[in-house]
Amino acid sequence: DAKTTQPTSMDCAEGRAANLPCNHSTISGNEYVYWYRQIHSQGPQYIIHGLKNNETNEMASLIITEDRKSSTLILPHATLRDTAVYYCIVRVLTGTASKLTFGTGTRLQVTL
Amino acid sequence: ETGVTQSPTHLIKTRGQQVTLRCSSQSGHNTVSWYQQALGQGPQFIFQYYREEENGRGNFPPRFSGLQFPNYSSELNVNALELDDSALYLCASSLWNWKAGGPFSADTQYFGPGTRLTVL
Repeated sequence: DAKTTQPTSMDCAEGRAANLPCNHSTISGNEYVYWYRQIHSQGPQYIIHGLKNNETNEMASLIITEDRKSSTLILPHATLRDTAVYYCIVRVLTGTASKLTFGTGTRLQVTL
Repeated sequence: ETGVTQSPTHLIKTRGQQVTLRCSSQSGHNTVSWYQQALGQGPQFIFQYYREEENGRGNFPPRFSGLQFPNYSSELNVNALELDDSALYLCASSLWNWKAGGPFSADTQYFGPGTRLTVL
């Protein structure tokens, strides 16, 4: 399975943009990049996903490099409620099953 | 709120016992996946059910089994519990249509709040 590498932790001041990097150098051509976050042992919350184009929704933007070996999740105006563990995931197909392969994630701490 | 519910919230069992965890999918979804999350780790894929059939499995022994019902709710059963089975068990539901795009198909899995299982 394609693996992802993320920094263990990051800090961000409230109101500033949070830029969370992720490396996925072994990603295959049909494998999507997904981002989820998890707040204090609740179920992971879906944020965004993409294949090769940049994507934006109401929560965040996803920037994928042209060679698809890395991506950045951008939270444009971080708030205290964005403090969470953020997982960058390469979605793998196992037969016809859609499997999310989680790593250990980045712990984002948003501070005043 | 994702519309995915799980029961029970917490459970304590002893080694060797059997346990059944339940998941109710989001309305309109046809697929449920189960994940195990040990303390301090990311969730690990156990298996996925699509239209009542298991269509993929992670690296878990056969004592982990599941069912998906016609209303797309699901159960995870674990036999002969071991201490290492203590974890947060998460289910996720999605609308999966493999035939629509083949290997380029995408789905979004929505997670429930999880069941915390403690094995003593």
